[in-house]
Amino acid sequence: GNSVTQMEGPVTLSEEAFLTINCTYTATGYPSPFWYVQYPGEGLQLLLKATKADDKGSNKGFEATYRKETTSFHLEKGSVQVSDSAVYFCALRSGAGSYQLTFGKGTKLSVIP
Amino acid sequence: NAGVTQTPKFQVLKTGQSMTLQCAQDMNHEYMSWYRQDPGMGLRLIHYSVGAGITDQGEVPNGYNVSRSTTEDFPLRLLSAAPSQTSVYFCASSYRGPAEKLFFGSGTQLSVL
Repeated sequence: GNSVTQMEGPVTLSEEAFLTINCTYTATGYPSPFWYVQYPGEGLQLLLKATKADDKGSNKGFEATYRKETTSFHLEKGSVQVSDSAVYFCALRSGAGSYQLTFGKGTKLSVIP
Repeated sequence: NAGVTQTPKFQVLKTGQSMTLQCAQDMNHEYMSWYRQDPGMGLRLIHYSVGAGITDQGEVPNGYNVSRSTTEDFPLRLLSAAPSQTSVYFCASSYRGPAEKLFFGSGTQLSVL
């Protein structure tokens, strides 16, 4: 089956620091990767996604490039803010026609002023 | 502007009791799903539905039943609660499936004593 591995947290950064959260996966077919974010006390929200190899998803200053050759979809942001403190989940849909989304374990990010 | 509504927000059960977690969406989404979130485990898919009258199992379906009699509602039933079902439960929906943005409810925190 599919699996998603993301870097373990928690991660603590100072405001304006650079953020990278690694995500790699194993899957059959043509997978589609996603990043979801969960703010304290809320449900998950889609942050960004990619639909084909070498696609770059971006939103709110976050970026991730779908690298098929390394089966990775690492999340980056050049300058984090306190408001970015949340839990970030990498997720994968295994391919066209799949109705299941496989999530990583989540990485908790805390940004301090 | 309700989106995905889950009730109740909190619930405490005794082992062996039954209950139904409610989920309703007002966006005319065909796809609905239930996840459980456990510490260090990320989100795991319990059941999903691709339309009224159609349901299927996810990764961890044992101990849970679902039905989809209308497009709007997708209740999750625990027939005989066990302590292992202590978790936070999220309902999510999208227009056609997980390739698109999933809209999550705010969650139900369930404790089984």
